[in-house]
Amino acid sequence: DQQVKQNSPSLSVQEGRISILNCDYTNSMFDYFLWYKKYPAEGPTFLISISSIKDKNEDGRFTVFLNKSAKHLSLHIVPSQPGDSAVYFCAASPTSGTYKYIFGTGTRLKVLA
Amino acid sequence: DAGITQSPRHKVTETGTPVTLRCHQTENHRYMYWYRQDPGHGLRLIHYSYGVKDTDKGEVSDGYSVSRSKTEDFLLTLESATSSQTSVYFCAIRDQEGSYGYTFGSGTRLTVV
Repeated sequence: DQQVKQNSPSLSVQEGRISILNCDYTNSMFDYFLWYKKYPAEGPTFLISISSIKDKNEDGRFTVFLNKSAKHLSLHIVPSQPGDSAVYFCAASPTSGTYKYIFGTGTRLKVLA
Repeated sequence: DAGITQSPRHKVTETGTPVTLRCHQTENHRYMYWYRQDPGHGLRLIHYSYGVKDTDKGEVSDGYSVSRSKTEDFLLTLESATSSQTSVYFCAIRDQEGSYGYTFGSGTRLTVV
């Protein structure tokens, strides 16, 4: 049973446009969410996070939105750049105990020049 | 950035042989994790540790064991490797107390033939 779902395996976007990556979760105990970016042959790297007490967090070109009632979060990248081409994973955890993050299956973003 | 290294980076082994992967950190962090990444499954937690000699199972722990005799080292052992354990294995450390994110190693690509 997938507790964190990324239903779009891939996404292509033109350079300069907005990229929107989506993530849904089922466990209402999750209250901290992360996005990671992964390039081939490298480990995932932290991108941005959001706590359930917020509905938006922004860091430069990256913004994460959280809709708790819908159990949905999204990552917006504006403007998209070719260097953003990577696999993006969302992850969720309760903010207690051992912080065992549950990851989604990933979305491969391709930004076209 | 926290120092975390995985060894080996690549390994090919035969079915039925034991295999040990090593994760080494230089940051004295308490929490360490082992994940595997497979197409269509994202990153799945195998085992984690919350201190020396303190370990627990993740969602896909069958066929794996771990040990943590020192803060800096977290070992993952495949007792008797099977082809289904062909995967990319990532170690992660949780950053300093109060931070919720992980730092990942560069991964070990394991092929069981």
